[in-house]
Amino acid sequence: KQEVTQIPAALSVPEGENLVLNCSFTDSAIYNLQWFRQDPGKGLTSLLLIQSSQREQTSGRLNASLDKSSGRSTLYIAASQPGDSATYLCASNGNQFYFGTGTSLTVIP
Amino acid sequence: NAGVTQTPKFQVLKTGQSMTLQCAQDMNHEYMSWYRQDPGMGLRLIHYSVGAGITDQGEVPNGYNVSRSTTEDFPLRLLSAAPSQTSVYFCASSYSGGPGELFFGEGSRLTVL
Repeated sequence: KQEVTQIPAALSVPEGENLVLNCSFTDSAIYNLQWFRQDPGKGLTSLLLIQSSQREQTSGRLNASLDKSSGRSTLYIAASQPGDSATYLCASNGNQFYFGTGTSLTVIP
Repeated sequence: NAGVTQTPKFQVLKTGQSMTLQCAQDMNHEYMSWYRQDPGMGLRLIHYSVGAGITDQGEVPNGYNVSRSTTEDFPLRLLSAAPSQTSVYFCASSYSGGPGELFFGEGSRLTVL
């Protein structure tokens, strides 16, 4: 079974800082890797989807990379803002979707 | 375009009661699934469907029942609610399962007393 791990579990940074969230997975036989954002009491919002043939995807201040051979993905957030405070989850999409337990991000004004 | 719609958003049940959580999507997605999210446990797959008339069990199916009579709807039934089923439930759909992007509903918070 695919194991997805996210480190760190929690992160607190001052506003304006650039930061990296990590996601690792054990089985490289995936179709894609997806990053989500979850606000308290809300559902998961899809941020970025990286196909297995791609190395990275960008959306605004977000950049996600994928290295299938090493089983790693990173989500880079540039110039963090208090509104970025949320839990960020990654999911590996193979024959099933497997989720990490998330990184809880707090951006301090 | 509503996406994935779940009802109800909140529900309180007594032990032994039954209920159905509704999920509907308007994106013509073949793949639909139900997850529960518990503190420290992450998201766990309960049941999923790859098309109308086809369902299968996920990681934690016991105590839950599903059916898929149409492409749009995928209800989750709790047969006899137990306190261990207190959780937040999410419905998610994708155009084609693993290769496709997964979209989530807003969640249904269930408390079983």
